[in-house]
Amino acid sequence: EVQLLESGGGLVQPGGSLRLSCAASGFTFSNCAMSWVRQAPGKGLEWVSGIGAGGTGTYYADSVKGRFTISRDNSKNTLHLQITSLRAEDTAVYYCAKRPGTYYTFDYWGQGTLVTVSS
Amino acid sequence: QSALTQPASVSGSPGQSITISCTGTSSDFGAYKYVSWYQQHPGKAPKLMIYDITNRPSGVSDRFSGSKSGNTASLTISGLQAEDEADYYCSSRTTSSPLYVFGTGTKVTVL
Repeated sequence: EVQLLESGGGLVQPGGSLRLSCAASGFTFSNCAMSWVRQAPGKGLEWVSGIGAGGTGTYYADSVKGRFTISRDNSKNTLHLQITSLRAEDTAVYYCAKRPGTYYTFDYWGQGTLVTVSS
Repeated sequence: QSALTQPASVSGSPGQSITISCTGTSSDFGAYKYVSWYQQHPGKAPKLMIYDITNRPSGVSDRFSGSKSGNTASLTISGLQAEDEADYYCSSRTTSSPLYVFGTGTKVTVL
């Protein structure tokens, strides 16, 4: 059974940093591209960042470029998102999502981790 | 890159069919077939319902179907059931940045 389990969210002050993690199991993690998608309270989904299966290709939404860094450890089946210079508008549930093979979609999602940026 | 445009809400009675539209630009969809639809119940993670415009993942009811014409994609739910009440989001791989764009979301209400 595919499982994605996010962690690392919490309350942080504006300008602060957090490192989100996503522990994957039930599939060959090193074969799959992964992404982070966020959802502000009461709002829609927003793609934030993606990384290729081998970790060499990384991609970001303009809204987070230069502040967020995606990475992965294929030896530990773990995806990370380092988020810095946090702003109030970064408050959201952050989901990790798995891309199946060569398809441009997300077939499994984690349950999400909430990041709240507030003083 | 703006979000894809969806109606805020759509409703129908049990057993009826409803269609949710998803409108973008040529740079959102391009010539790609990479349109997906996700269902999200309150407090839950999104669930993939349709990918590559028309394909259903294993386990998804055949009451859900997708289509696309020009820069508008559509999700049709036939034989509407109470469990279909949820938010629905379309998504597409784009031709530039960001890699993926989501729709504004549609709340489906079963009357």
